[in-house]
Amino acid sequence: NAGVTQTPKFRILKIGQSMTLQCTQDMNHNYMYWYRQDPGMGLKLIYYSVGAGITDKGEVPNGYNVSRSTTEDFPLRLELAAPSQTSVYFCASMGGQGYEQYFGPGTRLTVT
Amino acid sequence: GQQVMQIPQYQHVQEGEDFTTYCNSSTTLSNIQWYKQRPGGHPVFLIQLVKSGEVKKQKRLTFQFGEAKKNSSLHITATQTTDVGTYFCAGHGTSGSRLTFGEGTQLTVNP
Repeated sequence: NAGVTQTPKFRILKIGQSMTLQCTQDMNHNYMYWYRQDPGMGLKLIYYSVGAGITDKGEVPNGYNVSRSTTEDFPLRLELAAPSQTSVYFCASMGGQGYEQYFGPGTRLTVT
Repeated sequence: GQQVMQIPQYQHVQEGEDFTTYCNSSTTLSNIQWYKQRPGGHPVFLIQLVKSGEVKKQKRLTFQFGEAKKNSSLHITATQTTDVGTYFCAGHGTSGSRLTFGEGTQLTVNP
């Protein structure tokens, strides 16, 4: 199993551009999450999904959108990128309520 | 909403010294999890505690869950350079769908 994979690994965006961060898991997990981690800080939940077709906002959803059309994929869309969105983005999946989360390697995004 | 506080934010130790990080939640947790993130890496699950007062050990690491299920600690005995990284606690509330992470304790070990 590859676990949780994320693409791209690195990206530089100009202010106002848009992009989609891809996340795929091959563990048949229903629960998937997007976090952002600013330098030296903890993880902030952006959006999460408890199954295909179901998404919900986390702590910091503004400026982002998600969709969950399949169990495997949970893309994160950034519209109109801003410097405040410079961060490392982690996708994670979880096999069931109260279980541990498996993290992808992260996408390092810089907005200039 | 649920908040999880973690202290200290940073800890520098000499190799061989002990290290402890503490975690406190504003609400009662259904479980507490601990993760380790190496520099430049992603968080990796270490352990989960579920029962009130539970203590678990992994080699030199000892994890405790408080009696009220609102606090937890991670203690490392005789640190090694391989222990370097950031240690996060994370708690599941009653729904079990979301984890709330503490801010992490960044550990550096001087050889």
